Amino acid sequence: DAKTTQPNSMESNEEEPVHLPCNHSTISGTDYIHWYRQLPSQGPEYVIHGLTSNVNNRMASLAIAEDRKSSTLILHRATLRDAAVYYCILRDYANNNDMRFGAGTRLTVKP
Amino acid sequence: DSGVTQTPKHLITATGQRVTLRCSPRSGDLSVYWYQQSLDQGLQFLIQYYNGEERAKGNILERFSAQQFPDLHSELNLSSLELGDSALYFCASSAAGVFDEQYFGPGTRLTVT
Repeated sequence: DAKTTQPNSMESNEEEPVHLPCNHSTISGTDYIHWYRQLPSQGPEYVIHGLTSNVNNRMASLAIAEDRKSSTLILHRATLRDAAVYYCILRDYANNNDMRFGAGTRLTVKP
Repeated sequence: DSGVTQTPKHLITATGQRVTLRCSPRSGDLSVYWYQQSLDQGLQFLIQYYNGEERAKGNILERFSAQQFPDLHSELNLSSLELGDSALYFCASSAAGVFDEQYFGPGTRLTVT
């Protein structure tokens, strides 16, 4: 299975943009990049996913490197509610690959 | 609210016992997934069902089993419980396959004493 590497923790100030990096140097051509987050005392929550092109939704943007070996989740204006553990996950659509969560990045948002 | 419900919310039981955790997926979702989250192992995928059939298997112990019923709800059975089985158990559902986002329930906290 392709693996992802994320920083253990990051800090941000409220109302500032946050860039959460993820390295996936062994990504295969059929791997989708998914991001989930887990707020304290809750189940994980879908954030965004993409294959090759950058993606935007109401929650965040996903910037994917041209070689697809890394990606960055962008929160445009962090709020206190965005404090969570963010997981970057690869899912192989050709093999119905299940989601393998890593340790994720714990984001702290300071007021 | 994700639309996925799990019962019970909390469960305390003794070693050697057997418990059943229940999950109702979002209306219309055909896939159900089970995950275990413990402090030392993080979030681990256990098993996936799609429309009643087992689709994928992860790190699920032989003492654990699951099934998905015709009404699409799912149950996770844990038997011969050990202290190390204490964890949060999450159920998630999705419409169909790999492209679909998974919606997670609030979890069942299992404590084995």
